[in-house]
Amino acid sequence: EDKVVQSPLSLVVHEGDTVTLNCSYEVTNFRSLLWYKQEKKAPTFLFMLTSSGIEKKSGRLSSILDKKELSSILNITATQTGDSAIYLCAVDADSNYQLIWGAGTKLIIKP
Amino acid sequence: EAEVAQSPRYKITEKSQAVAFWCDPISGHATLYWYRQILGQGPELLVQFQDESVVDDSQLPKDRFSAERLKGVDSTLKIQPAELGDSAMYLCASSLASRNTEAFFGQGTRLTVV
Repeated sequence: EDKVVQSPLSLVVHEGDTVTLNCSYEVTNFRSLLWYKQEKKAPTFLFMLTSSGIEKKSGRLSSILDKKELSSILNITATQTGDSAIYLCAVDADSNYQLIWGAGTKLIIKP
Repeated sequence: EAEVAQSPRYKITEKSQAVAFWCDPISGHATLYWYRQILGQGPELLVQFQDESVVDDSQLPKDRFSAERLKGVDSTLKIQPAELGDSAMYLCASSLASRNTEAFFGQGTRLTVV
């Protein structure tokens, strides 16, 4: 059965800290991995990683795909209170027509 | 900036009543998704449309849920009769294509069944 597991489930750090969120997957014929940030309402898209694009960066956020380890990390440096959110990971695979979602990591940044 | 529109934002209904949600995707997006999200969990796909056709409704409780996208643009999701366990956030999303492309989400409808 295809699955996506995120860790940790929740994380509390202080402003300015660097955090690393993990997403591991078990799917057949991986196509892409997507990271989303969900604050109070809808998830907003952050990055999409594929075999041809295993590293993405945007400002203080960066993400790397490790196809050998079947996982991805999302790094946030110099965290700010506005980074507080649930970070969701989803995987697109040939074995499943729909995205397979992880349960998310709840990140809380304390001032 | 184009966005996915959903209404209503909040809905409180009594169990056994009917409830409907509406979604207008980003213009030109052929793929439309309805998700249900329970607090603390990732989104669960209920139904996926490609234009006006359903391509995946394997997790839609068809005895009480129905969805349509008659003209391949906006969509409605209906629950009849609503049950207490249906209380959740209902998210609509759209994307240009069904694979290898990001989906854009609407603000969601928070449903509370009492």
